Amino acid sequence: AQSVTQPDIHITVSEGASLELRCNYSYGATPYLFWYVQSPGQGLQLLLKYFSGDTLVQGIKGFEAEFKRSQSSFNLRKPSVHWSDAAEYFCAVGTSGTYKYIFGTGTRLKVLA
Amino acid sequence: SAVISQKPSRDICQRGTSLTIQCQVDSQVTMMFWYRQQPGQSLTLIATANQGSEATYESGFVIDKFPISRPNLTFSTLTVSNMSPEDSSIYLCSVDSGGGHTEAFFGQGTRLTVV
Repeated sequence: AQSVTQPDIHITVSEGASLELRCNYSYGATPYLFWYVQSPGQGLQLLLKYFSGDTLVQGIKGFEAEFKRSQSSFNLRKPSVHWSDAAEYFCAVGTSGTYKYIFGTGTRLKVLA
Repeated sequence: SAVISQKPSRDICQRGTSLTIQCQVDSQVTMMFWYRQQPGQSLTLIATANQGSEATYESGFVIDKFPISRPNLTFSTLTVSNMSPEDSSIYLCSVDSGGGHTEAFFGQGTRLTVV
């Protein structure tokens, strides 16, 4: 069965520090992978997505993610975190042919001034 | 991109009552999706709604509890029926941008509290 694991429930970083959020997936074929961000009281906004090709994808707000097939991972990174990045981040896998998304449990990011 | 408007944004309801959540999209879409996000948890797909056909429900969700309407290509409703405190969640409407997995767009959600 397909699944998405985000091992870190909470992460706290200082403003200006680098960030890496982990995501591991289980899927039988080449996955479609996504990172979404949810600010308090808001819906989900797409940060970036991977379908094929270059395994390092760039997204909005200075985020990037790297697909590593051998590790079944799609970790999200940002070189320098801003206070406005405090939010909840969800990794998701798209299931081919069914238009369904499976979401991880989310990582809540706190940014210290 | 698609802009999705959900109403109401939040509500507090008495147990045993029902609430209908509306989802309006600014463009025609084939599929619309309803998700539930329970407190502190991730999103779980409730059902997929296609215009002109019955909604398809995921395991653990039934039509009697979560009836869905899809009268046209830009609108859908989800009703949470006979509510209990366990139904307190955020309910999100979503659409796919088309072509399969290009991007999913989400409404801002409806925060429901059942007392």
